[in-house]
Amino acid sequence: AQSVTQLDSQVPVFEEAPVELRCNYSSSVSVYLFWYVQYPNQGLQLLLKYLSGSTLVKGINGFEAEFNKSQTSFHLRKPSVHISDTAEYFCAVRIGSGGSNYKLTFGKGTLLTVNP
Amino acid sequence: NAGVTQTPKFQVLKTGQSMTLQCAQDMNHEYMSWYRQDPGMGLRLIHYSVGAGITDQGEVPNGYNVSRSTTEDFPLRLLSAAPSQTSVYFCASSHPKSQGYQETQYFGPGTRLLVL
Repeated sequence: AQSVTQLDSQVPVFEEAPVELRCNYSSSVSVYLFWYVQYPNQGLQLLLKYLSGSTLVKGINGFEAEFNKSQTSFHLRKPSVHISDTAEYFCAVRIGSGGSNYKLTFGKGTLLTVNP
Repeated sequence: NAGVTQTPKFQVLKTGQSMTLQCAQDMNHEYMSWYRQDPGMGLRLIHYSVGAGITDQGEVPNGYNVSRSTTEDFPLRLLSAAPSQTSVYFCASSHPKSQGYQETQYFGPGTRLLVL
């Protein structure tokens, strides 16, 4: 079974600093990878996804992530964060394509706190 | 489109009571799922459905029942609530057979449940 590890449960940063949220997955087959964001008291919103093709994926709000198959990683980055980026970020993986396997496995989340 | 809607937003139950959490989507999505979110645990899949009349268990199905009589609705039933079911519940939907296999899951705003 696949698993997702988010290496940091909390990441505090100052406004305008760069940030990297780390995500590693375990799977021996092809995967689809996702990052979701959850703002306080809200549901989850898709930030970006990797399905195939270019390993550098750009998402909303200036975030990007790079798929590294050899290191089984999908780290999320932003060159300059804003106060409004304070939220919890979830990495998720889905194995394969088609068929009936649509299930996502989520990491435990990383709380990003941006301080002034 | 209203997207994915969930009712109620908040609920307090006593141990042993039953209730149904409602989830509806107006995007004609085939795939729907229920997750629970607990601090430090990320999101865990409870049950999912790949279409009307088809449901299956996720990672943590015990204590929960589901049915899918229509494409739009996917209610989650707690037959005899327990304090361990205190959590935030999210419903999500996606359309696996849509053009390009968009793979994006759309989440509802969540239901906060407290079982005393």
